[in-house]
Amino acid sequence: GNSVTQMEGPVTLSEEAFLTINCTYTATGYPSLFWYVQYPGEGLQLLLKATKADDKGSNKGFEATYRKETTSFHLEKGSVQVSDSAVYFCALSDLGGSQGNLIFGKGTKLSVKP
Amino acid sequence: DAGVTQSPTHLIKTRGQQVTLRCSPISGHKSVSWYQQVLGQGPQFIFQYYEKEERGRGNFPDRFSARQFPNYSSELNVNALLLGDSALYLCASSLARDRVQETQYFGPGTRLLVL
Repeated sequence: GNSVTQMEGPVTLSEEAFLTINCTYTATGYPSLFWYVQYPGEGLQLLLKATKADDKGSNKGFEATYRKETTSFHLEKGSVQVSDSAVYFCALSDLGGSQGNLIFGKGTKLSVKP
Repeated sequence: DAGVTQSPTHLIKTRGQQVTLRCSPISGHKSVSWYQQVLGQGPQFIFQYYEKEERGRGNFPDRFSARQFPNYSSELNVNALLLGDSALYLCASSLARDRVQETQYFGPGTRLLVL
């Protein structure tokens, strides 16, 4: 079945460091790919998305490129801030499902120190 | 514009009880999905509704049920609560114009604790 695998956390970085969170997926067909962010005590916020191969999603300095050849959608940011501390979830739309319900990875907790 | 709203924000129940969680989608959104997020894990899909009809169901027991109303709001019901039902329950809405590409927008969730 379809699945998403994210790098294990937690990830601890100093402010202004470069961030990469790896995400790979298994899916039939061509799912849409998403990154969601969850701040402490809150629900999920859509960070960025890509709907087809080679698309690059970007938002708030974060980027991810849909790589069909490597089935990956790694999240990157050139210079993280303390306010980026949160849990990041990679997800895909389940084309085998009724209407693209989302399949999530387990999440990667990011802590950014001043 | 108001986002997805959920009520209540927190809930404490005891084993065997029943619970009803409520969700109001973003205005204009006709599809509502429910997810369960156990502490330390990613959300797991429970149900999806569109135009009051169930469109999808995840791998959850029959104790879980849901419905969608004519105004597109939704309720999730869980009967005979177990300790393992303790989780954050998330509601998401989408326009549902495109069956497979639609972005889902999440509410803040209802945190359920079963004692």
